[in-house]
Amino acid sequence: AQSVTQPDIHITVSEGASLELRCNYSYGATPYLFWYVQSPGQGLQLLLKYFSGDTLVQGIKGFEAEFKRSQSSFNLRKPSVHWSDAAEYFCAVGRPRISGNTGKLIFGQGTTLQVKP
Amino acid sequence: EAQVTQNPRYLITVTGKKLTVTCSQNMNHEYMSWYRQDPGLGLRQIYYSMNVEVTDKGDVPEGYKVSRKEKRNFPLILESPSPNQTSLYFCASSPARGNYGYTFGSGTRLTVV
Repeated sequence: AQSVTQPDIHITVSEGASLELRCNYSYGATPYLFWYVQSPGQGLQLLLKYFSGDTLVQGIKGFEAEFKRSQSSFNLRKPSVHWSDAAEYFCAVGRPRISGNTGKLIFGQGTTLQVKP
Repeated sequence: EAQVTQNPRYLITVTGKKLTVTCSQNMNHEYMSWYRQDPGLGLRQIYYSMNVEVTDKGDVPEGYKVSRKEKRNFPLILESPSPNQTSLYFCASSPARGNYGYTFGSGTRLTVV
């Protein structure tokens, strides 16, 4: 079955430190990959996405993610975290655009990021 | 402003009392979907709609109904809510099935007592 795993439920980093959030997926082929951020009381905002091509993708707010096929991973990184990055982060996968695609996103459990001053 | 609007934002209700959560988008998107978010489980799809009058079940449809009579609206109906439907609900829309250019609403926090 298709699944997404975010091994870290909660991460705390100091402001200015680097950040890496892990995401592993189980899928029959290379899926479409996404990272979303959810600030308290808000909906989900797309940070970045990977469909194909260059395995290092840049997103908004200084985030980037690297797709590693051999590890079935799509980890999110940021070189220097700001206090405003404190939020919950979700990794998600979607089925490529082929017949039978329902458009569903499969989400990981989420990682809550706390930023220390 | 392009957006998905859900109402209400917060709702406390009693078991068995029918309720409707509304969802409206102003982007002329074909595809709309409902998700529920529960701690430790992420978001799970309840129902989706590929276009007007076309709806189908997602992963957790039990206890929910939807309709898509107009392109912009996709209400979620709980005919007889139960406490296990206490959750945070999100409506999302995208231009088309498989496009994945989702816009999410701000969420509806539902408590069933």
